[in-house]
Amino acid sequence: AQKVTQAQTEISVVEKEDVTLDCVYETRDTTYYLFWYKQPPSGELVFLIRRNSFDEQNEISGRYSWNFQKSTSSFNFTITASQVVDSAVYFCALSEANTGGFKTIFGAGTRLFVKA
Amino acid sequence: DTGVSQNPRHKITKRGQNVTFRCDPISEHNRLYWYRQTLGQGPEFLTYFQNEAQLEKSRLLSDRFSAERPKGSFSTLEIQRTEQGDSAMYLCASSNFTGELFFGEGSRLTVL
Repeated sequence: AQKVTQAQTEISVVEKEDVTLDCVYETRDTTYYLFWYKQPPSGELVFLIRRNSFDEQNEISGRYSWNFQKSTSSFNFTITASQVVDSAVYFCALSEANTGGFKTIFGAGTRLFVKA
Repeated sequence: DTGVSQNPRHKITKRGQNVTFRCDPISEHNRLYWYRQTLGQGPEFLTYFQNEAQLEKSRLLSDRFSAERPKGSFSTLEIQRTEQGDSAMYLCASSNFTGELFFGEGSRLTVL
């Protein structure tokens, strides 16, 4: 069965600090997809990134970076030089290929507070 | 492209009443999903469609919940005989073959 664990319920940082959000997943599939979504205070979930299980290359997009390590079943998300606008709830998610990549399950989320 | 649209945005109902939510996905997306989210939790999978076919329904979903997607376009989620425990945000999302979910703003249900 697939499972996503985000152990950090809330994180509070001061603007310009770096912050890492942890995500650990469980799956029996060898082919799967991992995602991060952002839910700002306005409420609408927004897609950030998708990785497939065969691509462990880390990715950087501006101040955002993602570290995927199959050996530890982790897909962590780092925000560099955080800004107040980064305040949101961040969800890690997993889709297994045996479901055709259809069913996506989410972790409980990490609420990030960035203080000015 | 107007994104995923859900309505009503907010529904207040009395226990025992039936409610129906509608979702209009992004037009070129053939996959449509329903999730439920309660305060402080992540979205909980309810069901999904590929075109008009409902391919999976969560085992956690009682028989009071039913979803349809006639003609593979918009979808409806109906909850019969609502209970207070049904109070939540009901999220609809659509996707294409790459799997990223595009969410609507959600329909908040309050059962009194």
